[in-house]
Amino acid sequence: KQEVTQIPAALSVPEGENLVLNCSFTDSAIYNLQWFRQDPGKGLTSLLLIQSSQREQTSGRLNASLDKSSGRSTLYIAASQPGDSATYLCAVLTSGTYKYIFGTGTRLKVLA
Amino acid sequence: EAGVTQFPSHSVIEKGQTVTLRCDPISGHDNLYWYRRVMGKEIKFLLHFVKESKQDESGMPNNRFLAERTGGTYSTLKVQPAELEDSGVYFCASSHLGQGARWSQYFGPGTRLTVL
Repeated sequence: KQEVTQIPAALSVPEGENLVLNCSFTDSAIYNLQWFRQDPGKGLTSLLLIQSSQREQTSGRLNASLDKSSGRSTLYIAASQPGDSATYLCAVLTSGTYKYIFGTGTRLKVLA
Repeated sequence: EAGVTQFPSHSVIEKGQTVTLRCDPISGHDNLYWYRRVMGKEIKFLLHFVKESKQDESGMPNNRFLAERTGGTYSTLKVQPAELEDSGVYFCASSHLGQGARWSQYFGPGTRLTVL
């Protein structure tokens, strides 16, 4: 049974810092892994999707890496800004299924 | 291209009442999924439609929940009667059909359900 864990649960950093959010999963047989952002009272915004054959994806100040063999993904945020404050969710699509398994998220606060 | 849309954005009902949530997937997406996040927990899968057929409803919590997708377009999720523990955010997602499950699922903004 696939389980997804995100560390840390909460993070507070000053503006401008580079930071890393971690996601680990127990079953390495995956189709893809997706990082989402959720703002309070809002829906999910997809940030990056990494297919199982890929090692990393980049979008602007965001970079996500995937190491299937170790069951880990990291989301790197460069030069953090107050507008980056949100909950970041990692979700894994396990091979043979159509349902994403989500982690509980990392609540990020970037202080001005 | 319009994204996944959900209606209403927020619903507040009394325990024992009925509520119907609606999801309109991206045009052309045959796969449609329902997920929900209850307070303090992670987002969890409820069910999956391929066109109008239910492929997997293993995540449906009990028989108070009924999902339909008539005509293979929009979907509704009815909760009858609603209980306090049904409060949470209900997300809908859709994806293309084909190439297995490699297609990305696109999520809607969610419906926040509050049962008093």
